[in-house]
Amino acid sequence: EVQLVETGGGLVQPGRSLKLSCVASGFTFNNYWMSWTRQAPGKGLEWVASITNSGGSTYYPDSVKGRFTISRDNAQNTLYLQMNSLRSEDTATYYCTRDNSGYWFAYWGQGTLVTVSS
Amino acid sequence: DTVLTQSPALAVSPGERVSISCRASEGVNSYMHWYQQKPGQQPKLLIYKASNLASGVPARFSGSGSGTDFTLTIDPVEADDTATYFCQQSWNDPRTFGGGTKLELK
Repeated sequence: EVQLVETGGGLVQPGRSLKLSCVASGFTFNNYWMSWTRQAPGKGLEWVASITNSGGSTYYPDSVKGRFTISRDNAQNTLYLQMNSLRSEDTATYYCTRDNSGYWFAYWGQGTLVTVSS
Repeated sequence: DTVLTQSPALAVSPGERVSISCRASEGVNSYMHWYQQKPGQQPKLLIYKASNLASGVPARFSGSGSGTDFTLTIDPVEADDTATYFCQQSWNDPRTFGGGTKLELK
């Protein structure tokens, strides 16, 4: 059974940093792209970042490019999202997803809530 | 960015057939995918590449369309299908989602 467990969310002040983690199990982690997708409270979904299975390439939308960094440790089956210069509009539940090579999001974790507020 | 437009809400009775639409602002070939999100839960993949049923998803769910107009159909609708349904495209960069259609049962 595919399991994705996110941790690291919480309350952070604007301009500060936070790092999310996602531990994966139930599949061969280094065979798959992985992504982060977020959902602001009561709102829709927004893709945030993707990384290839080797970690050699990363992709971001303009809304987070230069502020967020996705990375992975294939030996530890763990995905990360380093978030810098956080803004109030980054407040959302962040989901770790197993990505079908940049196309669809096949599996989702339960999410971790990030609140950016002073 | 490619904008995906969905109707905000629908209400149907159990046993009926419902079609949920998603219109793209530009062509996305067949790279449209559908997700179900029940209250308080994470999204779940239902359909990928317009018409392919994801693993474990009941055959009551089906998808169709290509280009700019896509449809998710549930037939028959069951009480457990109460949820918000999102479309997502991956033909144009960046990947984008529709605003979601909230399905309510009468």
